[in-house]
Amino acid sequence: KAGVTQTPRYLIKTRGQQVTLSCSPISGHRSVSWYQQTPGQGLQFLFEYFSETQRNKGNFPGRFSGRQFSNSRSEMNVSTLELGDSALYLCASSSDSTSYEQYFGPGTRLTVT
Amino acid sequence: AQSVTQLGSHVSVSEGALVLLRCNYSSSVPPYLFWYVQYPNQGLQLLLKYTTGATLVKGINGFEAEFKKSETSFHLTKPSAHMSDAAEYFCAVSDPRNNRLAFGKGNQVVVIP
Repeated sequence: KAGVTQTPRYLIKTRGQQVTLSCSPISGHRSVSWYQQTPGQGLQFLFEYFSETQRNKGNFPGRFSGRQFSNSRSEMNVSTLELGDSALYLCASSSDSTSYEQYFGPGTRLTVT
Repeated sequence: AQSVTQLGSHVSVSEGALVLLRCNYSSSVPPYLFWYVQYPNQGLQLLLKYTTGATLVKGINGFEAEFKKSETSFHLTKPSAHMSDAAEYFCAVSDPRNNRLAFGKGNQVVVIP
């Protein structure tokens, strides 16, 4: 089985712009979670989608949003980028919303200048 | 809410020596506990997990961890370090009712030849 894929792998954006990141889960997995990883704050949970519905949400401002499509692929969007949004964004998939095994993708490295 | 404490951001260990990474958790419900490893420019790989049952769990690459409820700990060990163990290690906890992982700050392991 193919693993979790994330595109693009690297991205450079300017402050004030918006960005969309994409995640394709493992085939058959219906839950997709997003995490932000920074040197200062570590790994923080953004949100989880299951069957196209947001099931859990972390403590991030409304500039961070996501969605999930009927094929379980997910996108996250960050609007009005700030320098502090520079991070590695990781996507993880699992078979259902209460599965305890999450499989992570390689991440998208976002740099905001 | 769940949280994890990992002390000592950088851990140096000699090749062939014991690897010991400490993890203490806080959880309002019986937790699920995990150790992940992250190699440079990669996502997270699951090393091992504890959900229920046997408190000593064995994972990949010779790692194991023991769940101690009385001490709220889930320390990771490997009897003999190998150069390929150099990586960053994260302990995580989740509420069994959802997929939301709370991570510790991580331990950067350096293996000295």
